[in-house]
Amino acid sequence: AQKVTQAQTEISVVEKEDVTLDCVYETRDTTYYLFWYKQPPSGELVFLIRRNSFDEQNEISGRYSWNFQKSTSSFNFTITASQVVDSAVYFCALSEATRNTPLVFGKGTRLSVIA
Amino acid sequence: NAGVTQTPKFQVLKTGQSMTLQCAQDMNHEYMSWYRQDPGMGLRLIHYSVGAGITDQGEVPNGYNVSRSTTEDFPLRLLSAAPSQTSVYFCASSVRLAINTGELFFGEGSRLTVL
Repeated sequence: AQKVTQAQTEISVVEKEDVTLDCVYETRDTTYYLFWYKQPPSGELVFLIRRNSFDEQNEISGRYSWNFQKSTSSFNFTITASQVVDSAVYFCALSEATRNTPLVFGKGTRLSVIA
Repeated sequence: NAGVTQTPKFQVLKTGQSMTLQCAQDMNHEYMSWYRQDPGMGLRLIHYSVGAGITDQGEVPNGYNVSRSTTEDFPLRLLSAAPSQTSVYFCASSVRLAINTGELFFGEGSRLTVL
């Protein structure tokens, strides 16, 4: 069965530090999609990125970057020069294309950025 | 577009009472789902629907009922509320028929307390 593990429950960094959020996934499907969502203190869930299993290119969007490595079943998320506004809970999620399964989320990592 | 609208935002119930959490989307999305969020547990799928008239169970369906009579609405019914159902509930929808490839759009959440 599909599974997403976010081993880091909480992380605290000082503003301007870089921080990496880890995500390890398990799936038997050969075609799957990986996602990251952000939940700020206000509570809403915000989509950040989607990657499919055939595209291992790393992606950069401003201060955010994602490292997808099939060899280690990981899809890690790095925030460069963190800011207080980055404080949130971040969720990694997985869905399997061939098996047509809904998104399964990890338990989330709470990131606190201290000024 | 209003996006995904959930009502009510807050609700307090007594054990044994029933209630319905409403979810409506105006984006003509085929796929809709309900998740619950509990501390340290991430987002867990309760029920989902890939189109009007079609529903299926997720990871934690017990104690909940759903129906999908229209594309726009996907209500979640608590048949006999229990304290274990105290949680924050999120409704989400996606444009794609392939439920796993589309970005999920979330409602703002409904905080339910069962006494």
